[in-house]
Amino acid sequence: NAGVTQTPKFRVLKTGQSMTLLCAQDMNHEYMYWYRQDPGMGLRLIHYSVGEGTTAKGEVPDGYNVSRLKKQNFLLGLESAAPSQTSVYFCASRGSGGAQETQYFGPGTRLLVL
Amino acid sequence: AQKITQTQPGMFVQEKEAVTLDCTYDTSDQSYGLFWYKQPSSGEMIFLIYQGSYDEQNATEGRYSLNFQKARKSANLVISASQLGDSAMYFCAMREGNDYKLSFGAGTTVTVRA
Repeated sequence: NAGVTQTPKFRVLKTGQSMTLLCAQDMNHEYMYWYRQDPGMGLRLIHYSVGEGTTAKGEVPDGYNVSRLKKQNFLLGLESAAPSQTSVYFCASRGSGGAQETQYFGPGTRLLVL
Repeated sequence: AQKITQTQPGMFVQEKEAVTLDCTYDTSDQSYGLFWYKQPSSGEMIFLIYQGSYDEQNATEGRYSLNFQKARKSANLVISASQLGDSAMYFCAMREGNDYKLSFGAGTTVTVRA
């Protein structure tokens, strides 16, 4: 039971390049989330999904797209990377338990855009 | 408007002493939840404690307790008997709505001194 995994762990991009971050969870969770973490700003929600085939915008969605074709996977895409997207990206998932259920976080992906 | 405010960027605490981390929140919902997470230097997000808006008693989990003052919209984390391993960044987060999104504060860095 690996929990939430993220691929890759670290990546360097040049401005204008594209890439996809993969999040996978093996807990059969319905809800999945993508956050970015920047110094002094905590975590901010980019996009999220409440179930397979659904996606919704979070607080900072511009420049990102997502897809949830399979329940266990949530992909975050950057079509044309910008230096402002340099950040640490966290994926999280949550089951359908009670209100007290926490989100379970992946280890993070560190992205540097030059 | 900021939903979660953590006013203490950094704090020092002596080993074995208690420390209180401040968190205030802003919501018009009647039903919401408050979470605290720990992020050590290794980067993972570790769930510590949860308080629901309808919970009448303050939550406790081992050395962690949450001082919930609903009228003041505050949810302060108290760490008792601090240990060197408690040195980390601590985030307060609030859950609103049925899709269980979290809004995070900027975090407080705690450094425990021997």
